[in-house]
Amino acid sequence: GEDVEQSLFLSVREGDSSVINCTYTDSSSTYLYWYKQEPGAGLQLLTYIFSNMDMKQDQRLTVLLNKKDKHLSLRIADTQTGDSAIYFCAGAISGQNFVFGPGTRLSVLP
Amino acid sequence: KAGVTQTPRYLIKTRGQQVTLSCSPISGHRSVSWYQQTPGQGLQFLFEYFSETQRNKGNFPGRFSGRQFSNSRSEMNVSTLELGDSALYLCASSQLGGNQPQHFGDGTRLSIL
Repeated sequence: GEDVEQSLFLSVREGDSSVINCTYTDSSSTYLYWYKQEPGAGLQLLTYIFSNMDMKQDQRLTVLLNKKDKHLSLRIADTQTGDSAIYFCAGAISGQNFVFGPGTRLSVLP
Repeated sequence: KAGVTQTPRYLIKTRGQQVTLSCSPISGHRSVSWYQQTPGQGLQFLFEYFSETQRNKGNFPGRFSGRQFSNSRSEMNVSTLELGDSALYLCASSQLGGNQPQHFGDGTRLSIL
């Protein structure tokens, strides 16, 4: 089955760009998702990319997909303290459930 | 449009008891999925319901069960509670389920004493 991996921690300075990386094992994943979780809350859908795309940009967020290496990244431009949260990558295969990575805790330093 | 609503937000139970959690999906969404989130295991899929039928099931014991009503609202039940069942239980709704975008509620935090 699908397995999704992420680095656990990332620390950046306010105003810098953040890049959160994710790798997955099953090339059948048709959608790849990024979610954000703040303390005491559920998961907020940030963005997603279909497997036939290489890149998707949405305001400060840029998603890059390298299907050959099964690598997904989320870039947050001009990172703010309000971006401090846990970010989850998830793969979704048609007809099956989502598989989430362990989450990357992003800390934004003033 | 109202988001996914989960009730209650917090629950404290003792070992051996049973519990029922409720989830109201976004209007028009027919699929509801349930997840267990713990610090040690992360987010684990419990089951998905679509049009009142369980469509997918994760690797959890039979003590964990669920159902979906004709208005798409869903409940999950855990019987004979164990200390290890302490977790944040998240519900997510989707228009069609499967690999389509899921929208999450804020969860029910269940603590077992």
